[in-house]
Amino acid sequence: DTAVSQTPKYLVTQMGNDKSIKCEQNLGHDTMYWYKQDSKKFLKIMFSYNNKELIINETVPNRFSPKSPDKAHLNLHINSLELGDSAVYFCASWGLAGVTGELFFGEGSRLTVL
Amino acid sequence: SQQGEEDPQALSIQEGENATMNCSYKTSINNLQWYRQNSGRGLVHLILIRSNEREKHSGRLRVTLDTSKKSSSLLITASRAADTASYFCATDLYGNKLVFGAGTILRVKS
Repeated sequence: DTAVSQTPKYLVTQMGNDKSIKCEQNLGHDTMYWYKQDSKKFLKIMFSYNNKELIINETVPNRFSPKSPDKAHLNLHINSLELGDSAVYFCASWGLAGVTGELFFGEGSRLTVL
Repeated sequence: SQQGEEDPQALSIQEGENATMNCSYKTSINNLQWYRQNSGRGLVHLILIRSNEREKHSGRLRVTLDTSKKSSSLLITASRAADTASYFCATDLYGNKLVFGAGTILRVKS
């Protein structure tokens, strides 16, 4: 069973379109994230939700809107896509290991904007 | 801004050799974690070292942390071709916000 699953894995679209990426985790974790990995592999946090509430919102254009219908799901909707949005988007959930925690990542969704 | 920076950016070694990757960061941390990313896959947690620890081992992995220098190193001993991947350090500044470095690409040649 996949712990953190994202769909779609690949997404190719035209500039100006709107697209969504879905994420689900079956680990029972309360906190979920979206990270963006650019072409140089630099991984940057975008958003974090804890039990459906937004707790981290980095400097991300408001064309990006996360939605968490429940604590097991965190979706990412992107409006008016731009060339610079091309990247791999990773969903992750935060699991406690004793008093510390670690991230569990999905396999990524590669978005290509033409 | 980026918190962690790995060094070197890329490393190529022969199977059986040791691989050492370094990470520097800028602010005080709760803990530092290392992750691995195989090509086209998600990141996988390898090891965590707390701010009050100096060294930690897990199998063929050895992590050190020097908080006075704000740096950490990851040593992989007796490398295998299957260790070929990108390795990232991530600093836990507070609570559950991890900030990642740019990663080191390790290639192990058989």
